[in-house]
Amino acid sequence: DQQVKQNSPSLSVQEGRISILNCDYTNSMFDYFLWYKKYPAEGPTFLISISSIKDKNEDGRFTVFLNKSAKHLSLHIVPSQPGDSAVYFCAAAGGTSYGKLTFGQGTILTVHP
Amino acid sequence: DAGVTQSPTHLIKTRGQQVTLRCSPKSGHDTVSWYQQALGQGPQFIFQYYEEEERQRGNFPDRFSGHQFPNYSSELNVNALLLGDSALYLCASSLGPSGMYEQYFGPGTRLTVT
Repeated sequence: DQQVKQNSPSLSVQEGRISILNCDYTNSMFDYFLWYKKYPAEGPTFLISISSIKDKNEDGRFTVFLNKSAKHLSLHIVPSQPGDSAVYFCAAAGGTSYGKLTFGQGTILTVHP
Repeated sequence: DAGVTQSPTHLIKTRGQQVTLRCSPKSGHDTVSWYQQALGQGPQFIFQYYEEEERQRGNFPDRFSGHQFPNYSSELNVNALLLGDSALYLCASSLGPSGMYEQYFGPGTRLTVT
């Protein structure tokens, strides 16, 4: 039962353009969502998060949008840079399983110079 | 400020053997979670330790067990290893109950079972 899904295994974007990574979830109890970035041979690095009481959160070039009715969130990176090339995971938490992060399968982002 | 550290980096074991992985949390953090990441998949939650007790557990068999020490470091033990246990094992730390969602990950231990 995949409660968090990232349906795009990979995304290729030109440097300077916008990258949009998508994530869907099925569990209505989730109330906190996070994005992590992972480089090879490193652990996931926390990027940005959003609580279910908000629909948008910004941090520099990164913006996360949450659509609760559609159970969908997205990460926008503007402008994209070659150093952003990595695997991006969305994760969700909430309800009685606080502290347990449920991850999607990841999306490989490649930003071409 | 030291981040989350894990040891060893790589490990090769034979089916049926037992393995112990170690984790030191980020300075100031008191909660440790363990995740298993199979190739091409996202991390899957194994369990979480806080105040030296297992607080949450994912869908993993009892062959997976853990421990948290008074200095907040943690161990993950896996008994009777199966080929399917081959994965990257990630440790994450966070600060108390209020910070449990924003977890900081170590580089992982790559376990290969032959």
